[in-house]
Amino acid sequence: GAGVSQSPSNKVTEKGKDVELRCDPISGHTALYWYRQSLGQGLEFLIYFQGNSAPDKSGLPSDRFSAERTGGSVSTLTIQRTQQEDSAVYLCASSQGGGLGKTQYFGPGTRLLVL
Amino acid sequence: AQRVTQPEKLLSVFKGAPVELKCNYSYSGSPELFWYVQYSRQRLQLLLRHISRESIKGFTADLNKGETSFHLKKPFAQEEDSAMYYCALSGNTDKLIFGTGTRLQVFP
Repeated sequence: GAGVSQSPSNKVTEKGKDVELRCDPISGHTALYWYRQSLGQGLEFLIYFQGNSAPDKSGLPSDRFSAERTGGSVSTLTIQRTQQEDSAVYLCASSQGGGLGKTQYFGPGTRLLVL
Repeated sequence: AQRVTQPEKLLSVFKGAPVELKCNYSYSGSPELFWYVQYSRQRLQLLLRHISRESIKGFTADLNKGETSFHLKKPFAQEEDSAMYYCALSGNTDKLIFGTGTRLQVFP
């Protein structure tokens, strides 16, 4: 079946602009995660959704970052007033449900470059 | 605090040599540990996790709570094992805490 998909695959924007990144999880997966992969920082957790609610937003680096999930499916990560340090690969993952030990399946990522 | 440490950024070996990718963690409770792999131009995927106690592609990893380690081992490396390997921890929440990764290069 189809895996996790993300769009766009690449995004170049100018400092100060807003961007939206989209994630389509695997059908039926109730849990959805956003991570950021940047040089020298490895993979950082950003936010986790269970259904449409976000019980853990602890990784969002600033109030410029927000995310929502509608219909228990698609999620959008929004970065307002982008800065150069926001340049990174943004990864989305989904799993069958919350709870420990559920395998997370990752999307291909969106590569964001802020000029 | 939850933390995962992978001390080696790069590990280079010749085909047929043994491989050990190191992973140490910091967590006060009972963690679940994972190894994820990213091959060139492919997405991140699960390689194995400690609760399964399985061997995938010849790789094994044993959780050592005394040493807080979860090292990944393979007795005979293959060229197709060349990839980026990430150790990850899941504590009392569902998020994964990743190490910075180790790039494994296997030369012919």
